[in-house]
Amino acid sequence: EGQPVESGGGLVQPGGSLRLSCAASGFTFSSHWMSWVRQAPGKGLEWVANMKQDGSVKDYADSVKGRFTISRDNAKNSLYLQMNSLRAEDTAVYYCARDHSGGVLDYWGQGTLVTVSS
Amino acid sequence: DIQMTQSPSTLSASVGDRVTITCRASQSISDHLAWYQQIPGKAPKLLIYKVSNLQSGVPSRFSGSGSGTEFTLTISSLQPEDFATYYCQQYKTYKMFGHGTKVDIK
Repeated sequence: EGQPVESGGGLVQPGGSLRLSCAASGFTFSSHWMSWVRQAPGKGLEWVANMKQDGSVKDYADSVKGRFTISRDNAKNSLYLQMNSLRAEDTAVYYCARDHSGGVLDYWGQGTLVTVSS
Repeated sequence: DIQMTQSPSTLSASVGDRVTITCRASQSISDHLAWYQQIPGKAPKLLIYKVSNLQSGVPSRFSGSGSGTEFTLTISSLQPEDFATYYCQQYKTYKMFGHGTKVDIK
């Protein structure tokens, strides 16, 4: 099966915005929940957000609630993460992952680095 | 929120050793527990889901056990490619990862 491919990372100033994209292939994207997970430099994994197949359910970690928005376009096999009001502590590699069996993340992209710094 | 605590945080071992990593949940998560392996610079890789189910392609030297709040990942005979960081993850309520256990060379 295919691997998701993330894009859109980069350097952004505190308070700025960035939109990440995840292109999925090799599986039926519209049949799966999808998640974003991040990893700050030298730190562990932190779940960020997930979204149901039809977009009717979106969940967020408390650390990003109200600032980040997850969305998807099933026609384009794509997942997105709109990140607003970015802070230094949002600096991380952001991974897109397929959600399987009610919360197991079985396919991961290689990640895209977001750096929040002035 | 359900918190996940892994121990130890670092483990030094040799090739051929039997290695056990423990993960404790702050409340019962039934069997909603997965394990991942991460090699530096790479994405995490799913090893085990639902406590003890081996993901396709994962060697049989990996096994998982436990229930409720206490779980273990065991590597029966450590191989050179197993030196990595391992994370547990609960998916009973949203998702939460443990802080990781780094397995390095003794």
